[in-house]
Amino acid sequence: DGGITQSPKYLFRKEGQNVTLSCEQNLNHDAMYWYRQDPGQGLRLIYYSQIVNDFQKGDIAEGYSVSREKKESFPLTVTSAQKNPTAFYLCASRDLKSNTEAFFGQGTRLTVV
Amino acid sequence: AQSVTQLGSHVSVSEGALVLLRCNYSSSVPPYLFWYVQYPNQGLQLLLKYTTGATLVKGINGFEAEFKKSETSFHLTKPSAHMSDAAEYFCAVRNSGGYQKVTFGTGTKLQVIP
Repeated sequence: DGGITQSPKYLFRKEGQNVTLSCEQNLNHDAMYWYRQDPGQGLRLIYYSQIVNDFQKGDIAEGYSVSREKKESFPLTVTSAQKNPTAFYLCASRDLKSNTEAFFGQGTRLTVV
Repeated sequence: AQSVTQLGSHVSVSEGALVLLRCNYSSSVPPYLFWYVQYPNQGLQLLLKYTTGATLVKGINGFEAEFKKSETSFHLTKPSAHMSDAAEYFCAVRNSGGYQKVTFGTGTKLQVIP
């Protein structure tokens, strides 16, 4: 079945450690997105990419980094520079050639202790 | 810059009552508009979308929304609430050219009272 897979579903890390969240899609979508979700703040865009080897900062990119070496994969690294990394992270993808909606993964809940 | 405003972070309705979730948007170009639903600790699932054409859009689970350009609104409605409708609902807007960002509102949690 086609879809977006985020892993792991739950992640715990110690403060000061970098951590990488995985996002893989087999929908052949060009665009991929990372959002952060906090209670009462909705979804805020971290990074997005519309083509391999190219990505753009979203509204809250500080303390995060991404790569897009393959069309299917868009990993997000939460660095030690991110002041408040504990949150629910959602990855999405979309087909740019049509007016389709974004498809979402099931999310990763990151807790930094 | 585009933006989305959802009025009411929490809405409570009785089972069988009308559901109305409000969404207003700001966009410098003709927008594409979406409503998503999220259940706890899950990703987002599309309810419905407006791209072009008919301004009244029907979605899954009996929901519909009407695009009103003059009011810059895209309110979500359902004639009769069901217990299974209890979830968080997000309105979103996407621009149509260049780098296509999708911007979400802050969400509305719907509580359905038996």
